[in-house]
Amino acid sequence: NAGVTQTPKFQVLKTGQSMTLQCAQDMNHNSMYWYRQDPGMGLRLIYYSASEGTTDKGEVPNGYNVSRLNKREFSLRLESAAPSQTSVYFCASSEPLRTNYPYNEQFFGPGTRLTVL
Amino acid sequence: SQQGEEDPQALSIQEGENATMNCSYKTSINNLQWYRQNSGRGLVHLILIRSNEREKHSGRLRVTLDTSKKSSSLLITASRAADTASYFCATRDSGGYQKVTFGIGTKLQVIP
Repeated sequence: NAGVTQTPKFQVLKTGQSMTLQCAQDMNHNSMYWYRQDPGMGLRLIYYSASEGTTDKGEVPNGYNVSRLNKREFSLRLESAAPSQTSVYFCASSEPLRTNYPYNEQFFGPGTRLTVL
Repeated sequence: SQQGEEDPQALSIQEGENATMNCSYKTSINNLQWYRQNSGRGLVHLILIRSNEREKHSGRLRVTLDTSKKSSSLLITASRAADTASYFCATRDSGGYQKVTFGIGTKLQVIP
């Protein structure tokens, strides 16, 4: 069981370049999330996918797009990178909260450190 | 805006001492979770407490929840150097959203 995997681990981009961050989970979770972590800001939700086929904006979605490719994979795309997007990006997955399953702890990947010059 | 806010933002203690971290939040919640993050790593779930629970234990961890004050505390007893990490509270609100909101975190240093 690999849990949640993310690629790449590190990336340096120039302003205006595009890239896609990949995330996959093997726990058969329905819900997946993308966060960014900046010093002094904690984790902020960019986008989430409650279930396969659905995506919703989080707290800081501007400049990003996502694709829930299938139940396992959830990718994050930066169409035109900006220095303000320099951050550490985390993907996470969980079971959704349900009446008969009230626990929805999240399982995190190791993160992608992105620098935009 | 951040739902959970941890206090203190940094804490330094000697090995063997207890560490207490507090979290305050703003809205009605379904559950509150605590996570640990070691330097350069992803977050790891520690413990979850539901809104109808007041206290929960897991090993050396004790979590309390006071929904009337919208606050929670995490106590780590008999701390070890390996407990050095950042600790985050996260709230799952009682609305229909399948998402969890994280606080800024408490950076704990345990000195051997």
